[in-house]
Amino acid sequence: ETGVTQSPTHLIKTRGQQVTLRCSSQSGHNTVSWYQQALGQGPQFIFQYYREEENGRGNFPPRFSGLQFPNYSSELNVNALELDDSALYLCASSLTASNTEAFFGQGTRLTVV
Amino acid sequence: TQLLEQSPQFLSIQEGENLTVYCNSSSVFSSLQWYRQEPGEGPVLLVTVVTGGEVKKLKRLTFQFGDARKDSSLHITAAQPGDTGLYLCAGERNNQGGKLIFGQGTELSVKP
Repeated sequence: ETGVTQSPTHLIKTRGQQVTLRCSSQSGHNTVSWYQQALGQGPQFIFQYYREEENGRGNFPPRFSGLQFPNYSSELNVNALELDDSALYLCASSLTASNTEAFFGQGTRLTVV
Repeated sequence: TQLLEQSPQFLSIQEGENLTVYCNSSSVFSSLQWYRQEPGEGPVLLVTVVTGGEVKKLKRLTFQFGDARKDSSLHITAAQPGDTGLYLCAGERNNQGGKLIFGQGTELSVKP
């Protein structure tokens, strides 16, 4: 059974650019959630995808968008990057949308300069 | 304002000491989870508690969910340097699986 994997592990982008982060969910899991973790803070919920549809969104602007594919892997896209977008982006997969337990990937460290 | 408040935010103790980390809220949660996170890694799930008053033990770690399901605590007995890390509590509201609200974390350092 493979765990949650994210790519890339580190990324440096310039303000105003766009970025795509990728996540492969754990085998058998159909739900993926994305979180942003700023330095010294707990993760903040961005949105969740369940069976290729957005299933809830946190307090993030529309320039944060996502996709989920038929194999339940997912992408997080951020447009018009701002300096404050610098953070660790975490992907978590759950067996299904109603399942409590979430299993996290190692994260993507995004630095915006 | 933080929906889940963790305390203390930082804790530095000697090996062998006991400690308790608290996670408090004015809101009711369907369940509450505790995670441990090491630098540059994602959080790793330690335990999930779902019933008010529930107590779960994981070796030297004891987790408790408050009777009203608004708060939780993590107690570590005889801490070891390997316990060093960021401890995060995360709550699920209204059975919204996977949409977790996290506390700001407790950074624990256990010195040999």
